[in-house]
Amino acid sequence: EIVLTQSPGTLSLSPGERATLSCRASQSVSNNYLAWYQQKLGQAPRLLIYGASSRATGIPDRFSGSGSGTDFTLTISRLEPEDFAVYYCQQYGSSPKTFGQGTKVEIK
Amino acid sequence: QVQLVQSGAEVKKPGASVKVSCKASGYTFNSYGISWVRQAPGQGLEWMGWISAYNGNTNYAQKLQGRVSMTTDTSTSTAYMDLRSLRSDDTAVYYCARDLGVYTSISHFDYWGQGTLVTVSS
Repeated sequence: EIVLTQSPGTLSLSPGERATLSCRASQSVSNNYLAWYQQKLGQAPRLLIYGASSRATGIPDRFSGSGSGTDFTLTISRLEPEDFAVYYCQQYGSSPKTFGQGTKVEIK
Repeated sequence: QVQLVQSGAEVKKPGASVKVSCKASGYTFNSYGISWVRQAPGQGLEWMGWISAYNGNTNYAQKLQGRVSMTTDTSTSTAYMDLRSLRSDDTAVYYCARDLGVYTSISHFDYWGQGTLVTVSS
């Protein structure tokens, strides 16, 4: 199975700053089938990005995804107060679908 | 609007079984799949498996093979996840998610249920 490693584990930033989250795969992700989800405490995850770079419906354009093969990035251009949460990457190009361990974006 | 509403919290003893339901609304149920994902307390997300709401085909995570069953009832737009021989490390919040794959599990999720806490304790 494909192992996804996210870094850093925790990102401490201030509102208005730029956040860059990394997701590295143990082998190439087929068709760049890589998604990003946001999860707030006590809530279900929410889809942000699919296909490595396509924003889901209703997701603000401050969220962007990039990358291919084994290296992927989620960028939040300017952090809003509601963006402080845990972010997971997921590959769905091969079975089993696997998730990274998450990156927590916290208020500095 | 798309909604997935799951059944309530459960407390089970080791060795027992649990069945969690996920009622869908706001879309054509048999045009999508349903995946199940669980999250142990304070931990990350683990995909458990997928079922096509069109033809009932399934794809289960290998580590759960033999203990998990996923079914759908298209007459009520409801998906079910059955987990048997429960252990303490099955304690988790269980989520259903609408899966864009209807013929294949090679697909992502776009809507999630609210989650169901299953506690396994003697």
